[in-house]
Amino acid sequence: QSALTQPASVSGSPGQSITISCTGTSSDVGGYNYVSWYQQHPGKAPKLMIYDVSNRPSGVSNRFSGSKSGNTASLTISGLQAEDEADYYCSSYTSSSTLEFGGGTKLTVL
Amino acid sequence: QVQLVESGGGLVKPGGSLRLSCAASGFTFSDYYMSWIRQAPGKGLEWVSYISSSSSYTNYADSVKGRFTISRDNAKNSLYLQMNSLRAEDTAVYYCARARVEMATIEYFDYWGQGTLVTVSS
Repeated sequence: QSALTQPASVSGSPGQSITISCTGTSSDVGGYNYVSWYQQHPGKAPKLMIYDVSNRPSGVSNRFSGSKSGNTASLTISGLQAEDEADYYCSSYTSSSTLEFGGGTKLTVL
Repeated sequence: QVQLVESGGGLVKPGGSLRLSCAASGFTFSDYYMSWIRQAPGKGLEWVSYISSSSSYTNYADSVKGRFTISRDNAKNSLYLQMNSLRAEDTAVYYCARARVEMATIEYFDYWGQGTLVTVSS
């Protein structure tokens, strides 16, 4: 049981937009602007896609965006492309000075 | 470019020990917090531990506290994870990752190694 709750799967067609939610509590997601999102293709290491809720690292497509409202953070991918098909994980710092990950969401591009 | 290369994984019996290493290059290792994160086969990511840049501060997930010890050697640009009293549920790919920090608070992990597989089985 992961501390942060994500949907197990989402899907969309090429060109569409999808949103993945990440729900925590006031002790993690809601209490800090230290939410990050990672993309992981099968057999590969995770890759940072969004940090500090809504910031994109250099080299990450502007089709990826992040936001937060209360205890729920969200990752939105617009203009879906085939290469976006992957697992996505959210992460947050916690009031216990630890880190938590969500259970992961499998994105399928139809 | 930043590179993180893990080593030391393998097959170990329950109750046994293993030491993982992570060799860092392409950045000033001594300036950064570092972390270990694991992923059981077919499962999600689980944060394991982190260590501050000067080794003065460490923290662990409850699942490994008292059994695992994180350390680093800044002169050798290396991060370590000593794993004792291993259990079947410790079976996972172990990643080392560079952490970005603001006021001693870990914000995110910007670079990850490719991981090393630890299998705990009799």
